[in-house]
Amino acid sequence: ETGVTQTPRHLVMGMTNKKSLKCEQHLGHNAMYWYKQSAKKPLELMFVYNFKEQTENNSVPSRFSPECPNSSHLFLHLHTLQPEDSALYLCASSQLYGQGGISPLHFGNGTRLTVT
Amino acid sequence: AQTVTQSQPEMSVQEAETVTLSCTYDTSESDYYLFWYKQPPSRQMILVIRQEAYKQQNATENRFSVNFQKAAKSFSLKISDSQLGDAAMYFCAYRRVGGSQGNLIFGKGTKLSVKP
Repeated sequence: ETGVTQTPRHLVMGMTNKKSLKCEQHLGHNAMYWYKQSAKKPLELMFVYNFKEQTENNSVPSRFSPECPNSSHLFLHLHTLQPEDSALYLCASSQLYGQGGISPLHFGNGTRLTVT
Repeated sequence: AQTVTQSQPEMSVQEAETVTLSCTYDTSESDYYLFWYKQPPSRQMILVIRQEAYKQQNATENRFSVNFQKAAKSFSLKISDSQLGDAAMYFCAYRRVGGSQGNLIFGKGTKLSVKP
């Protein structure tokens, strides 16, 4: 079983749909992240959760709504998306230590999202 | 603001040969981390190698090594004895010490092809 598991692997949704992306980490980490990877653009950090608390939101539109019920699970709820939101959404986890220390990120395989 | 630039969109190497991928970055910080990540067709981002800026010694991981030139703000990745499994997208990334958790600044990537 891989360290970080994302489902579904592929998702096609209309602009009026509501769907959710799921991420689960089996590494015992205390921080989880959502990244967006668009074609021809660098990977962009969307949200950060530290001990289940959201610590960062990088100016992400409200049509993306994260949820972190515990330190092992992370969701990204999607509603009324736009075609330009089509991208690969990657989840990652890491271990945060005191004084800003952080272990390397472990990524999942991503969800390929297509908005029609 | 920090930026990471990968000037080679695509590279190709013959199996068993050596290839070097380039990365430059811009920062006013004196202490930071630099990373190379590999993204194969499975889409999972895999950490290849990590360098702490305060360390003068170049990091090495088996066939992978870096040439870290702090003054020039250059961080190239050398892959020796290239294997078919090395074919992937390679991303250079930066994170400052004490910076926002998980806030890696990524380059746009270099697609590496390995010819048998």
